[in-house]
Amino acid sequence: NAGVTQTPKFRVLKTGQSMTLLCAQDMNHEYMYWYRQDPGMGLRLIHYSVGEGTTAKGEVPDGYNVSRLKKQNFLLGLESAAPSQTSVYFCASSSLRGPAGQPQHFGDGTRLSIL
Amino acid sequence: GNSVTQMEGPVTLSEEAFLTINCTYTATGYPSLFWYVQYPGEGLQLLLKATKADDKGSNKGFEATYRKETTSFHLEKGSVQVSDSAVYFCVGGTSYGKLTFGQGTILTVHP
Repeated sequence: NAGVTQTPKFRVLKTGQSMTLLCAQDMNHEYMYWYRQDPGMGLRLIHYSVGEGTTAKGEVPDGYNVSRLKKQNFLLGLESAAPSQTSVYFCASSSLRGPAGQPQHFGDGTRLSIL
Repeated sequence: GNSVTQMEGPVTLSEEAFLTINCTYTATGYPSLFWYVQYPGEGLQLLLKATKADDKGSNKGFEATYRKETTSFHLEKGSVQVSDSAVYFCVGGTSYGKLTFGQGTILTVHP
């Protein structure tokens, strides 16, 4: 059981370039999330999705776009990368069932550097 | 809005020492509370959780009790091991599955 898989694991971009990070989960989870992790700041929610075809903004959405065309995949796009987007990006998923007690399952992260 | 404040680190202990990492939360209503652990180079893993007041979560020798009166969820372990060295995050969860993270506490355990 792979759980949550992120690709790529590492990437270096030049300012202004675009790229897409892919997240795939095989647990049939309804909810999926994209976070960024910066030193001393914990994780901050970029965008999330409560189901196929739906997305919503999180805490720090500016400069990012997302799509959820299939239930198992959640894509994070950077249209014009900026050095401030240098970070480690984590994808997560969770089940809809139950109240807030459902934990999120995280991928191993994508380390992105913008030069 | 919701917020989670946890003890700043880094925390350095000798093997078999007692561990406490403090965590307090501010939230509308009563969120579920979690401790996640992140080992070097890996993603976050759920360590334990509590979904209502007075619940005690426990796993791998770690414990935390959801204290409504003090809005706290402190993480404890009686005897830490070198393998416990990691970053620990206190997290609050809302009914829509959105998590609020503390800033993380780096724990280093020496032999």
